[in-house]
Amino acid sequence: SQTIHQWPATLVQPVGSPLSLECTVEGTSNPNLYWYRQAAGRGLQLLFYSVGIGQISSEVPQNLSASRPQDRQFILSSKKLLLSDSGFYLCAWSGQGSRNQPQHFGDGTRLSIL
Amino acid sequence: GNSVTQMEGPVTLSEEAFLTINCTYTATGYPSLFWYVQYPGEGLQLLLKATKADDKGSNKGFEATYRKETTSFHLEKGSVQVSDSAVYFCALFPPDTGNQFYFGTGTSLTVIP
Repeated sequence: SQTIHQWPATLVQPVGSPLSLECTVEGTSNPNLYWYRQAAGRGLQLLFYSVGIGQISSEVPQNLSASRPQDRQFILSSKKLLLSDSGFYLCAWSGQGSRNQPQHFGDGTRLSIL
Repeated sequence: GNSVTQMEGPVTLSEEAFLTINCTYTATGYPSLFWYVQYPGEGLQLLLKATKADDKGSNKGFEATYRKETTSFHLEKGSVQVSDSAVYFCALFPPDTGNQFYFGTGTSLTVIP
């Protein structure tokens, strides 16, 4: 069966520090991969998605970046964190080919910027 | 364009009450529609889905019917439990192009004993 792993589960970082969040998927190949941010009490904001290795689409301008070095690995990064980067970050995957397939989410990373 | 509109929360119900969370969408053609549930501190879990008009998705006592004529996918449950307290998200995947899912803003439900 397919599984998705995100880590770390929680992270506290000072303003201006770098960031690296990792997401890996198991049990499937060539998935679509997504990064979302969920601010406290708010909905989901799509940050990046990827349909293949090295292919990244950015939905909003920001100081975050994403990379997909391997088929089932998706990394969210920042060189210098801002206070506004605090939030709950969710990675998700979906299968390619069929539009009936749902997204499957990881457990999320709670990021607090001090 | 594609978008999802959910009823504003928060919603507070007593145990065993009837639940309706409204969801309407805008899309060309026939998108796939989904309801997700998010328990506190967790990621989103797929609750149910419907992929064509008049389909009814159901799971754990929750139901939603894909209504093309009203572009709606309202979530219902006949008798809620305290354990149903969570945030519920309506989402669509468009039929035409792209690989992006569109989510509503979420509706927070609290069920009190």
